[in-house]
Amino acid sequence: DIQMTQSPSSLSASEGDRVTITCRASQSISDYLNWYQQKPGKAPNLLIYAASRLQSGVPSRFSGSGSATDFTLTITGLQPEDFATYYCQQSYSTPLTFGGGTKVEIK
Amino acid sequence: QVQLVESGGGLVKPGGSLRLSCEPSGFIFSDYYMSWIRQAPGKGLEWVSYISDSSTYTNYADFVKGRFTISRDNARNSLYLQMNSLRAEDTAVYYCARIGPNNAYYFDYWGQGTLVTVSS
Repeated sequence: DIQMTQSPSSLSASEGDRVTITCRASQSISDYLNWYQQKPGKAPNLLIYAASRLQSGVPSRFSGSGSATDFTLTITGLQPEDFATYYCQQSYSTPLTFGGGTKVEIK
Repeated sequence: QVQLVESGGGLVKPGGSLRLSCEPSGFIFSDYYMSWIRQAPGKGLEWVSYISDSSTYTNYADFVKGRFTISRDNARNSLYLQMNSLRAEDTAVYYCARIGPNNAYYFDYWGQGTLVTVSS
């Protein structure tokens, strides 16, 4: 199974900050990496697929990069509605696996 | 717009069974692979199973293999998850999700989830 490790597990940031979340795969997954946002009590929402492709309707302040084993999600200009938990997920092979999540909190 | 509505969750005793349903709307159901993903209280996301558009292919996480069965009825526009031999560790919110175009194995739409509680 491919293990996905996110860091940090939580972070505090202020509105307007640039935030970077890292996801590392236990083996190369090419660009088969996706990012989701989840708010409390809600279902996850797809932000980025194929490492860097922005899902339709997602604000352009979200961006993704990386390949092989190392990936990042960047939020440029954090907005109040961005305080949430973020998950990465590999779609390279089954079992499909998620990272442990990164909670973005208000500083 | 795309919507997915799960139902069938509830309280069940260890060893018991439950059948979850998911009703899609806003897209051609028979064109897409579908999946179930779960989230234990306060924990992260776990992929459970997926099924191909025509039910030809199914795949399961090891922790449910032999106990859970995914199925779909394209004529009735419904996705199912039959859960047998339930354990306390199966307690979670279960989400139905659509797999992205071209079977890219990311989840582009999710339902609101249905809570399954396994407890005596």
